[in-house]
Amino acid sequence: DSGVTQTPKHLITATGQRVTLRCSPRSGDLSVYWYQQSLDQGLQFLIQYYNGEERAKGNILERFSAQQFPDLHSELNLSSLELGDSALYFCASSVVDFDGYTFGSGTRLTVV
Amino acid sequence: AQKVTQAQTEISVVEKEDVTLDCVYETRDTTYYLFWYKQPPSGELVFLIRRNSFDEQNEISGRYSWNFQKSTSSFNFTITASQVVDSAVYFCALSEGQAGTALIFGKGTTLSVSS
Repeated sequence: DSGVTQTPKHLITATGQRVTLRCSPRSGDLSVYWYQQSLDQGLQFLIQYYNGEERAKGNILERFSAQQFPDLHSELNLSSLELGDSALYFCASSVVDFDGYTFGSGTRLTVV
Repeated sequence: AQKVTQAQTEISVVEKEDVTLDCVYETRDTTYYLFWYKQPPSGELVFLIRRNSFDEQNEISGRYSWNFQKSTSSFNFTITASQVVDSAVYFCALSEGQAGTALIFGKGTTLSVSS
């Protein structure tokens, strides 16, 4: 167990729907990162939050949004889902004094 | 421009062979971090090593070794005496600037080790 918890592990939904992925960072970690891993795009950075504030944005679609709550857990919201959004979504966390990034086990999203 | 290049898409070896996975990176920052992660068939990302830009010492951990050369912007990974359990996708990644900046991943190299 890495200490980063992602739920659910698997999610199957239909096109046009909206889903929420949840991430609880490792205890003490203030930064949360979201990544998308798809067959054609590889591992892509989506967005980073630090202590509740958005810190950096990557290749995140407008249909996607995220937030980090006061208890530091984060949610990634994906709406108007398309077949191409099917992917493995990873959350990672890190501490201020930086000992690296700890990844969760991922949420596998399948859009049918 | 691609910042982390893993030119080898797939490598197949037989057990006990040594194998080197190549990684070339591109950055204008003088401070950066380089990483290797392993992704076994189960899908999780397993951290292998972190190296900062000021530490060019090579590292050995058991059968794994890493060669960091700033002159060629490379951070190569060698597995000695490969085993079937080493079969996985291996990712090289870069974090530019201050610590905690998001990772930029290479496309990964799929290593298949047969018995």
